[in-house]
Amino acid sequence: GAGVSQSPSNKVTEKGKDVELRCDPISGHTALYWYRQRLGQGLEFLIYFQGNSAPDKSGLPSDRFSAERTGGSVSTLTIQRTQQEDSAVYLCASSFSAGSLFFGSGTQLSVL
Amino acid sequence: DQQVKQNSPSLSVQEGRISILNCDYTNSMFDYFLWYKKYPAEGPTFLISISSIKDKNEDGRFTVFLNKSAKHLSLHIVPSQPGDSAVYFCAASRAEGNKLVFGAGTILRVKS
Repeated sequence: GAGVSQSPSNKVTEKGKDVELRCDPISGHTALYWYRQRLGQGLEFLIYFQGNSAPDKSGLPSDRFSAERTGGSVSTLTIQRTQQEDSAVYLCASSFSAGSLFFGSGTQLSVL
Repeated sequence: DQQVKQNSPSLSVQEGRISILNCDYTNSMFDYFLWYKKYPAEGPTFLISISSIKDKNEDGRFTVFLNKSAKHLSLHIVPSQPGDSAVYFCAASRAEGNKLVFGAGTILRVKS
């Protein structure tokens, strides 16, 4: 596709369950980012992949959060044992090595 | 610790007038600044950027001003149009292409 694609667009889960969020970046973009936006707040950096370098995981809020990027393309963000405070819009973005970020539409995660 | 601050949660402007959105930052290592625009249920889209070697960058109706000594930047939209109504995020990074730190956003409403 022409843009960053995220799936699912909406996810409702029960507290304690694991969830996986997927991001398909723009073809050829070497950098991939995950951010989240809680209700009424700004965009919170989670993790950053750049080419073959080790990812910058400095924004992950706890060890329940992990992400991987396979083959330098698709990325999956996994949240284990979800908590209500994990409810947010999770946004993925990609870019060339030095350039503006292009965001997907996000996954709205609701933890009941 | 909020490194990028947008102190006005919302702004209301009459169509045709100037909209001025403000942003302050605390990290003196930031040298690349961007503005993103977000409509409901969509991801943020890049609007305009400025590097620290400049104090002004203009693109059509949008102008970004940077005051490094004050660690302050602003986005001017003139003339404002109803379609400009959105959430505007200020973002900063230590280098172009590096991870972005976002502010909390300002909701702009342009009244016709």
